[in-house]
Amino acid sequence: QITLKESGPTLVKPTQTLTLTCTFSGFSFSTSGVGVAWIRQPPGKALEWLALINWDDDKRYTPSLQSRLTITKDTSKKQVVLTMTNMGPVDTGTYFCARFDVLPSGSYCDHWGQGTLVTVSS
Amino acid sequence: DIQMTQSPSSLSASVGDRVTITCRASQTINSYLNWYQQRPGRAPKLLIYAASSLHIEVPSRFSGSGYGTDFTLTISSLQPEDFATYYCQQTYSTLWTFGQGTRVEIK
Repeated sequence: QITLKESGPTLVKPTQTLTLTCTFSGFSFSTSGVGVAWIRQPPGKALEWLALINWDDDKRYTPSLQSRLTITKDTSKKQVVLTMTNMGPVDTGTYFCARFDVLPSGSYCDHWGQGTLVTVSS
Repeated sequence: DIQMTQSPSSLSASVGDRVTITCRASQTINSYLNWYQQRPGRAPKLLIYAASSLHIEVPSRFSGSGYGTDFTLTISSLQPEDFATYYCQQTYSTLWTFGQGTRVEIK
């Protein structure tokens, strides 16, 4: 059974750095073609892809936030960590991590964490 | 970035109705298009991948079609549990993007 769970602070002050951890089970980065992505959703708004990391440590970031984001993985701990610097109120929202496969037919997120709500406020 | 535009942004429909949602990409994405369903307060759930392939355990009333820049998600007979928001996503580019969502409400 594949599960993912996000953890991190629920409240962050403006200008601070957010660190979120996705802890997963049921799959491994030792498997070729596996990856984990981060997606966020401001309250009442659409999904926004933030970053992804592949089994081979290839990393991609959404261009508008690339300078603020860092994604890393710890294969042995089965964790993926996302850091976002210089947080502001517009970064308030629910942050999801999701597992995906890289296939010839494309990538898709077939398992998602429950999400964690992060509020940016002084 | 590849922009994904969904229409309509919202719709009202009755149980049993046939519902169609469209998604248009700003450039060709072949069939690298996924559809997700999100109920309030829940994580998104994969419905369709590669434009037309039904994910496991997804009811057959859901179907997807399209290629290139224009795609559709169809619900053949709307059920009470289908009232939710639907998102398309392109993975043609390694920089993914989602559509803005289509909210399906009860008429």
